[in-house]
Amino acid sequence: DAKTTQPTSMDCAEGRAANLPCNHSTISGNEYVYWYRQIHSQGPQYIIHGLKNNETNEMASLIITEDRKSSTLILPHATLRDTAVYYCIVRVGSGFSGGYNKLIFGAGTRLAVHP
Amino acid sequence: DADVTQTPRNRITKTGKRIMLECSQTKGHDRMYWYRQDPGLGLRLIYYSFDVKDINKGEISDGYSVSRQAQAKFSLSLESAIPNQTALYFCATSGQLDPYEQYFGPGTRLTVT
Repeated sequence: DAKTTQPTSMDCAEGRAANLPCNHSTISGNEYVYWYRQIHSQGPQYIIHGLKNNETNEMASLIITEDRKSSTLILPHATLRDTAVYYCIVRVGSGFSGGYNKLIFGAGTRLAVHP
Repeated sequence: DADVTQTPRNRITKTGKRIMLECSQTKGHDRMYWYRQDPGLGLRLIYYSFDVKDINKGEISDGYSVSRQAQAKFSLSLESAIPNQTALYFCATSGQLDPYEQYFGPGTRLTVT
């Protein structure tokens, strides 16, 4: 399994873009990058995932470098409600039927959005 | 209405009691999961089920059992609760296409005294 490295904490001003980096230099060719977040004591929330192309949905954008060794989750206009721990997870994803390896939620990045 | 619901949301019970936590989902997903989270720690997988007849142990299944009563329902039981099972418990679901795109319930806070 590819290991991920994220900063322990980050700050962002409300209304500004929050850019959360993740390093996954040992990622394999069939592994996807998933992002989740957990607001204090709530259930984790799926945000987005991608393989190699940049992805965007209503919550965020995911930028994956061309060599796939790192990625950045972008919250374009952070709000106070985006304060949470953000997890970057690498897993063999969509379409793979070779069994299930559990999601591993590491320490993540604690994002604090301030007024 | 929430897609994944858990009952109860909070429960205090005594050592040795049997307790059941229930999870229901309206997402139409085949796959369901139970996790526990302890303060300051990550989520640990207790059990998972890929369909009604397929139930698998996770990394910390000792002291727990599960029942998949229907596609939409997955229950977690503590046969004889002990204090170190005090934790936040989450249920999650995923579709067949991608087991790692999971949708979590709001959690059950369980305290065993």
